[in-house]
Amino acid sequence: DIQMTQSPSSLSASVGDRVTITCQASQDISNYLNWYQQKPGKAPKLLIYDASNLETGVPSRFSGSGSGTDFTFTISSLQPEDIATYYCQQYDNLFTFGPGTKVDIK
Amino acid sequence: EVQLLESGGGLVQPGGSLRLSCAASGFTFSSYAMSWVRQAPGKGLEWVSAISGSGGSTYYADSVKGRFTISRDNSKNTLYLQMNSLRAEDTAVYYCAKDHNPWRVQGVGYDYWGQGTLVTVSS
Repeated sequence: DIQMTQSPSSLSASVGDRVTITCQASQDISNYLNWYQQKPGKAPKLLIYDASNLETGVPSRFSGSGSGTDFTFTISSLQPEDIATYYCQQYDNLFTFGPGTKVDIK
Repeated sequence: EVQLLESGGGLVQPGGSLRLSCAASGFTFSSYAMSWVRQAPGKGLEWVSAISGSGGSTYYADSVKGRFTISRDNSKNTLYLQMNSLRAEDTAVYYCAKDHNPWRVQGVGYDYWGQGTLVTVSS
């Protein structure tokens, strides 16, 4: 089974800050990685697919990069509406979600 | 507009059974793999099961293999999850999710999700 780790598990940043979350796979998954945003009480929302492609309608301040085992998700300028938990997900071999990163406003 | 509407959740005793349904609309249902993903209270997301568009291929997480069965009726645009031998650790909100790309047997991720249905396993 492929295991996914994320860091940090939580972070607090100011509006306008650049926020970076990392995700690591236990083995090479090429670019078979997605990023989701989940707000409290809501279903997750796809933001980034295939590691670096922005889903239609998602603001351009969100971006993703990486391949192999190491991936990065970035919010270039944090907005109040970005308060949420962010999950990475691999689909190289079935599906595995990372444990999530909770993002708060400082 | 794509819509996914889950139903069938509720309170069940340990060892009991429940069948979840997910009614889909707004897209060509048979062209897309579908999945069930769950989230225990206060916890992260856990993929549970997936099924190809034709229904011919099914996949399960180890935690539910042998107890849960995923199926679909493409004539009714409906996805199902039959859950047997339920345990307390199966307590969660269960989401159905539509795959991002058509014609992918296992699937590649989810661009639409339902609102979720709560399953509580308790005596």
